Amino acid sequence: AQSVAQPEDQVNVAEGNPLTVKCTYSVSGNPYLFWYVQYPNRGLQFLLKYITGDNLVKGSYGFEAEFNKSQTSFHLKKPSALVSDSALYFCAVYMDSNYQLIWGAGTKLIIKP
Amino acid sequence: DTGVSQDPRHKITKRGQNVTFRCDPISEHNRLYWYRQTLGQGPEFLTYFQNEAQLEKSRLLSDRFSAERPKGSFSTLEIQRTEQGDSAMYLCASSLTGTGNNQPQHFGDGTRLSIL
Repeated sequence: AQSVAQPEDQVNVAEGNPLTVKCTYSVSGNPYLFWYVQYPNRGLQFLLKYITGDNLVKGSYGFEAEFNKSQTSFHLKKPSALVSDSALYFCAVYMDSNYQLIWGAGTKLIIKP
Repeated sequence: DTGVSQDPRHKITKRGQNVTFRCDPISEHNRLYWYRQTLGQGPEFLTYFQNEAQLEKSRLLSDRFSAERPKGSFSTLEIQRTEQGDSAMYLCASSLTGTGNNQPQHFGDGTRLSIL
């Protein structure tokens, strides 16, 4: 069965430090991978996606993600965290066989000044 | 920037009442999705439209739930005889039709439903 795992419920980072939010996936076909961010009482905002090509994908607000096929991972990264990056982050995978996004449970990112 | 719009933002109702939510997608998007999200969880897929056709419906969706997209533009989600367990955030998203399924979904801010 297809699944997405975000192994950390919460990640704490000091402002200015690099951050990583982890995501691993299990799919039987070619994965299309996405990261979204959700601020309190708001919908989800698209950050970036991996479809094919370069394993390092750059997205909005200075975020990037690295696709690693052998480790079936798609970790979200940012070189220097901002307090305003504090939010809930979701990883999702789109199967090429149907139209559903499979979502991770989310990781709460807290950036401390 | 005209994004996905959902109305109302909040709905409080008594158990057993019917509720209807509206979603206006980004105008050029032909795909529209409904999700349910509870606190601390990722979105759960409910149903999906391509233009006016409802192409997929989750097994999670009981007979009390119905969705329409009559003219391929806005959509409504109705819940009949609401139950306590229906309390959640209901999210709508829209996307273009791309090659495969690689178009990102754009979300509205959701309708928060509270059942008393």
